[in-house]
Amino acid sequence: GESVGLHLPTLSVQEGDNSIINCAYSNSASDYFIWYKQESGKGPQFIIDIRSNMDKRQGQRVTVLLNKTVKHLSLQIAATQPGDSAVYLCAENPSNFGNEKLTFGTGTRLTIIP
Amino acid sequence: NAGVMQNPRHLVRRRGQEARLRCSPMKGHSHVYWYRQLPEEGLKFMVYLQKENIIDESGMPKERFSAEFPKEGPSILRIQQVVRGDSAAYFCASSPNRVDYGYTFGSGTRLTVV
Repeated sequence: GESVGLHLPTLSVQEGDNSIINCAYSNSASDYFIWYKQESGKGPQFIIDIRSNMDKRQGQRVTVLLNKTVKHLSLQIAATQPGDSAVYLCAENPSNFGNEKLTFGTGTRLTIIP
Repeated sequence: NAGVMQNPRHLVRRRGQEARLRCSPMKGHSHVYWYRQLPEEGLKFMVYLQKENIIDESGMPKERFSAEFPKEGPSILRIQQVVRGDSAAYFCASSPNRVDYGYTFGSGTRLTVV
């Protein structure tokens, strides 16, 4: 299953399938990007990050892809499990020193169908 | 090692009352950030503090909102004369240095104004 940017805020995927969540970021000066997972009633939980000098980074079952040309970020989750059901948030941070704030997208709600 | 601790988890205030939200950063973290999440919206940056200093308050409403991070004790986000529109989840995050050295969120305080 695949979502497109923030215009499709929900995504349903069969358990065991791979999922792709997309995010279009706005600031061309951003050079650090993070994906967070937010479960109902909880705070955002760090999943994976990537800097602008990379275009791909892999973690455990997750891969983040960065396309700076079109300002696009994606999160791939392999072999989805019921525990992956959550809202996934992308965040960006610009490179200027001292600017420590993150700008978040609205998020995509991922539902894993058993 | 306890994570970022926020209290209370839930807070109900009547219109016109004051709300005080507390955040204890992770051990060894000296940078604190406050974010607000309105219903069905993304996380919005409010303020960034270091011990005894406000570094960036560009996201704070001009009136009624204030934040501090004293030399001793937790960071406090204070909202005076609350209104219904202040109802939201308020999240605190902390980091040891810069945003890309590990930015950890707490579980949030859910403020309801009645």
